Amino acid sequence: DTAVSQTPKYLVTQMGNDKSIKCEQNLGHDTMYWYKQDSKKFLKIMFSYNNKELIINETVPNRFSPKSPDKAHLNLHINSLELGDSAVYFCASSQAMRQTYNEQFFGPGTRLTVL
Amino acid sequence: KNEVEQSPQNLTAQEGEFITINCSYSVGISALHWLQQHPGGGIVSLFMLSSGKKKHGRLIATINIQEKHSSLHITASHPRDSAVYICAVGKGGSEKLVFGKGTKLTVNP
Repeated sequence: DTAVSQTPKYLVTQMGNDKSIKCEQNLGHDTMYWYKQDSKKFLKIMFSYNNKELIINETVPNRFSPKSPDKAHLNLHINSLELGDSAVYFCASSQAMRQTYNEQFFGPGTRLTVL
Repeated sequence: KNEVEQSPQNLTAQEGEFITINCSYSVGISALHWLQQHPGGGIVSLFMLSSGKKKHGRLIATINIQEKHSSLHITASHPRDSAVYICAVGKGGSEKLVFGKGTKLTVNP
């Protein structure tokens, strides 16, 4: 059973399009995250949700909108895609509260390529 | 300058060698994490520590809070240990992790 799953694994699209990446965890965790890994393999936090509530929102363009329909799901919608959005996006989850004290479980990543 | 610095950036070893990867940070932290990213891209959490030392199999992680430094050691290295090892810190008073740029380890048979 996959603990944290993401779909799709690969996403190739044209500039200007709108796309979504889905994430689901079956670990019973209360907290979920989206990270972006750039071409130099550098990871940065984008968003964090705790029990469907947004708790971390880094300096990310408004074109990126996370949605958490329930605590097991955290989706990422991206409007008007740009070339610079090309990256690998990782979803992760951890147990509730004091997140930095808790081990994080990562999804397999979604490689987004914007042409 | 990044708040989390790792060294070396790249490391090549022969099978069986003892490996050390270093992580220094410049902020107050609540916890430090070591992650492993496989060549296929998947990320696995290896350790989370806030003091002292932890050991899982051939992997040992240590942290010195006063010196703001952590090390990840691999004993009897094996080609399957080849991966990128990433240090990340939870900043004190913040719920987010800040990542180092990673150390790419290659273990040759």
